[in-house]
Amino acid sequence: QVQLVESGGGLVKPGGSLRLSCAASGFTFSDHYMSWIRQAPGKGPEWLSYISGSGFSIYYADSVKGRFSISRDNAKNSLYLQMNSLRADDTAVYYCARVSCSSTSCSYFFEYWGQGTLVTVSS
Amino acid sequence: EIVMTQSPAILSVSPGERATLSCRASQSVSDNLAWYQQKPGQAPRLLIYGASARANGIPDRFSGSGSGTEFTLTISSLQSEDFAVYYCQQYKNWPPFFGQGTKLEIK
Repeated sequence: QVQLVESGGGLVKPGGSLRLSCAASGFTFSDHYMSWIRQAPGKGPEWLSYISGSGFSIYYADSVKGRFSISRDNAKNSLYLQMNSLRADDTAVYYCARVSCSSTSCSYFFEYWGQGTLVTVSS
Repeated sequence: EIVMTQSPAILSVSPGERATLSCRASQSVSDNLAWYQQKPGQAPRLLIYGASARANGIPDRFSGSGSGTEFTLTISSLQSEDFAVYYCQQYKNWPPFFGQGTKLEIK
């Protein structure tokens, strides 16, 4: 079965950096767009970034563009999110999620989610 | 960006009754609309995509309808495990955007 397991969250000071990881299993990782989504306490989810199966196509939300960087290692079935210049309003649970893709195209809703990792930005 | 507005913010319904949740898009998203369920401490779970198609393993008491700007999630006979927060998400236009959620609570 599909499993997504995030790690790397924690407490970081404003201006600091953190790298999140997501280990995927139960499907052909390289066939799927993957995404990072976050959810601040008491709020709805917020999409952050997509990366194509090959890693060549990447998209970011304006709120994180220039500060966050998504990447993947298909040999390791892993997805990453490098977060720099962190701010208090980046405090949230961060999820990796699999985008729904067929053999020919993708629809950008999220079929499977990991359990999330908490990032707290505070001095 | 397309803004998604959900109503009501909180819905109180008795077990066994029907629940109707609404989602409105600020412009047409055709049928590019998904619904998710989230329980406390858990990740969101996909319920509905394409406005009306149930995801794998979702019971048939969950149904979605609508197109364009107005959408509805209906739960025909509420079970105890259905009390949760529900989010809609449009995926027609960039960026994908979630609504603020409807909390379905026990009356």
